[in-house]
Amino acid sequence: GENVEQHPSTLSVQEGDSAVIKCTYSDSASNYFPWYKQELGKRPQLIIDIRSNVGEKKDQRIAVTLNKTAKHFSLHITETQPEDSAVYFCAAIPMGTGFQKLVFGTGTRLLVSP
Amino acid sequence: GAVVSQHPSRVICKSGTSVKIECRSLDFQATTMFWYRQFPKQSLMLMATSNEGSKATYEQGVEKDKFLINHASLTLSTLTVTSAHPEDSSFYICSAPEGENTEAFFGQGTRLTVV
Repeated sequence: GENVEQHPSTLSVQEGDSAVIKCTYSDSASNYFPWYKQELGKRPQLIIDIRSNVGEKKDQRIAVTLNKTAKHFSLHITETQPEDSAVYFCAAIPMGTGFQKLVFGTGTRLLVSP
Repeated sequence: GAVVSQHPSRVICKSGTSVKIECRSLDFQATTMFWYRQFPKQSLMLMATSNEGSKATYEQGVEKDKFLINHASLTLSTLTVTSAHPEDSSFYICSAPEGENTEAFFGQGTRLTVV
């Protein structure tokens, strides 16, 4: 089955710096890659997603890039703010599941210091 | 976006008792829902896929007789943790997609503590 690896496990940056989180997946048939932000004790919230027919997608300070050949995708957060501090999870959807059977990465704890 | 409501948000139960967790899609019909478990500082691990009107599909290593799933209507799935033990203490969270290959919406999660 699909296996998603995520790095780093923790990331500390100063406010205003950029943060990059990387994920690799194993199933070349995966075609949908969402990123979720989870604050402590809360539900995961979708922040951006990308499909396999697109190489890059941007939404204000957040961007995601996808390299299908290398089977990896990355989340980029620019001009980080303290409220960006949370745990971020990447995920991949294995082909053929129809409904969203998400396989999550291990998570990255992002800490943005003022 | 669509709304998925999960109840209760927190529950403390005694070892050996059973706990039922509800997951409702409030403004759309969900023929499929997913149940995840999340231990502290860990990722979300899929436990099972809940299918309306049919048996749930469990992931490898998840005991179907311990984690009973019922999806009796298009808007409600329940997870019952039977004969709970302290090691079952975790954050349980459901999700429901509006359709195939679309965004999944998560419930608020249930913090289960077994004492």
